[in-house]
Amino acid sequence: AQSVSQHNHHVILSEAASLELGCNYSYGGTVNLFWYVQYPGQHLQLLLKYFSGDPLVKGIKGFEAEFIKSKFSFNLRKPSVQWSDTAEYLCAVTTGFQKLVFGTGTRLLVSP
Amino acid sequence: GAGVSQSPSNKVTEKGKDVELRCDPISGHTALYWYRQSLGQGLEFLIYFQGNSAPDKSGLPSDRFSAERTGGSVSTLTIQRTQQEDSAVYLCASSLSGQFYEQYFGPGTRLTVT
Repeated sequence: AQSVSQHNHHVILSEAASLELGCNYSYGGTVNLFWYVQYPGQHLQLLLKYFSGDPLVKGIKGFEAEFIKSKFSFNLRKPSVQWSDTAEYLCAVTTGFQKLVFGTGTRLLVSP
Repeated sequence: GAGVSQSPSNKVTEKGKDVELRCDPISGHTALYWYRQSLGQGLEFLIYFQGNSAPDKSGLPSDRFSAERTGGSVSTLTIQRTQQEDSAVYLCASSLSGQFYEQYFGPGTRLTVT
């Protein structure tokens, strides 16, 4: 069965620092990849997604992610974080079936 | 338009009681999903509906859990004889049909079994 690993459970950064959150999946076939974000007190919402084409995808609020097939990775990046980026970030994958398989999430705290 | 809504937002119940959780998907979304997030664990899939049928129930943890969807819209997740390990946040999501459509999540129902 497919699985998703997020190795950073808690990340603390200062404003303007660069961010990279790791995400690795285990599945040998075609995958669709997602990053979701949950801001404090809000619903889970989509940050960005990859289905095919350019492996570097851009999402909302200046986030981007790169799909590296050979490494089974889909790391999330942002060059300069803001206090408002404090949230939980979840990586997820689908494999042609409908259900999302999520990683355990990374809690990001950005200090002003 | 309106997003996915869930009710109740919080539910406290005694062990052994039955509970029903409701999900109203976005209008026009034929696919509906239930997930749950237990303390210290990631979001885990429970069941997927396409229309009123459930082609994937593989995530339901026991036969105490059941779900139905009527009219291709509202869905109810029922947990019978609740146990303390059922305490979690239950999330509902909906999407257009097909694997290339994003899932939109509701606010969740926080279930506490005492």
